[in-house]
Amino acid sequence: NAGVMQNPRHLVRRRGQEARLRCSPVKGHSHVYWYRQLPEEGLKFMVYLQKENIIDESGMPKERFSAEFPKEGPSILRIQQVVRGDSAAYFCASSPPQGAPGTDTQYFGPGTRLTVL
Amino acid sequence: GENVEQHPSTLSVQEGDSAVIKCTYSDSASNYFPWYKQELGKGPQLIIDIRSNVGEKKDQRIAVTLNKTAKHFSLHITETQPEDSAVYFCAANTGGFKTIFGAGTRLFVKA
Repeated sequence: NAGVMQNPRHLVRRRGQEARLRCSPVKGHSHVYWYRQLPEEGLKFMVYLQKENIIDESGMPKERFSAEFPKEGPSILRIQQVVRGDSAAYFCASSPPQGAPGTDTQYFGPGTRLTVL
Repeated sequence: GENVEQHPSTLSVQEGDSAVIKCTYSDSASNYFPWYKQELGKGPQLIIDIRSNVGEKKDQRIAVTLNKTAKHFSLHITETQPEDSAVYFCAANTGGFKTIFGAGTRLFVKA
């Protein structure tokens, strides 16, 4: 997976709690993507971020979900007031900066499996 | 926008046989086509990719072909082994940031 780190790997929350998922991209990568995967299904695009900027959040629900990629530190996907339907695997991917070789190639992390009780 | 269709959804082969997974895309501007392998409980891993200026690329037992006119591309795995069992995703990218994924093919290799 070319070095993308995600934590925690497993997260259990009760309905109404907050879930905070972290992603550290490959060193030198400045683009981060978040995807959601339900069991036995494909990858659904949620949001694309560059450092300090959200570029495209068209796949992310308007309510309860937010994402950030600060100048320092990992990217965070935050889900407030979780519901059972939020249970899924959430994958982060990163790619090199614009102008660098392979800027369109995404490298995935191992994922965070969120279970909402 | 781009749409990627992938077939079959499930594929079962005998060890040693070949496996072929096919994808079609809708946006003629797409110029980059990666393939990912996802094992149970893990993240998708890039296994091979092809750009629109070539028609075929090979890496040991894995090959990918691209037909730009017909807008389809295929993954070929020869001499399949049990460890090839996984879910395979094709994808298409127009050169921007957005990569559109197919729905995935679950490959079973029977020993």
